[in-house]
Amino acid sequence: DAGVIQSPRHEVTEMGQEVTLRCKPISGHDYLFWYRQTMMRGLELLIYFNNNVPIDDSGMPEDRFSAKMPNASFSTLKIQPSEPRDSAVYFCASSTGTTNGGELFFGEGSRLTVL
Amino acid sequence: LAKTTQPISMDSYEGQEVNITCSHNNIATNDYITWYQQFPSQGPRFIIQGYKTKVTNEVASLFIPADRKSSTLSLPRVSLSDTAVYYCLVGDSNYQLIWGAGTKLIIKP
Repeated sequence: DAGVIQSPRHEVTEMGQEVTLRCKPISGHDYLFWYRQTMMRGLELLIYFNNNVPIDDSGMPEDRFSAKMPNASFSTLKIQPSEPRDSAVYFCASSTGTTNGGELFFGEGSRLTVL
Repeated sequence: LAKTTQPISMDSYEGQEVNITCSHNNIATNDYITWYQQFPSQGPRFIIQGYKTKVTNEVASLFIPADRKSSTLSLPRVSLSDTAVYYCLVGDSNYQLIWGAGTKLIIKP
């Protein structure tokens, strides 16, 4: 298996622009997580899905952030409009479950820089 | 939600055994203890998970005392490639995990 695939790996954009990050989870995994990592705040869970349904989006910082999972093999995280404080590495992770703290498989991340 | 406390950084040398201890005083009955490793520009990678006593796999051992208020990740005979950030997490479900700053481990030749 190729693992969790994220794109783009790097994105540089200007404030106010729309940003779309993409994720392909591992086939057969029914949980998908979006995380954000910064030096100041570490890894933060933004939202997670189970069977393509958003379960908890309490970590989404504000309405400018939205996430979708139209099918089991694809998810997007969108920021509109983007701001410099959104600069971070965004990780997607998938797993076969959440109970017993089951193993999370992370992608390589998307590094976002908002100028 | 249980939080963990671990050293900010550690140094060691190639070939040595490295032990990283994590404190989790408010661990709940159903919580598991999980360790992840993260290299620069990569996502975290699962190392090992345990509930009590000792767990060993091909890369590490995890020691958990009876009160489960702490745990120790043991890396045998480290190499330069083990230089990374190591995260200790506790929880009974993935969405409850609180990721701290981790321990930055530097292995010297």
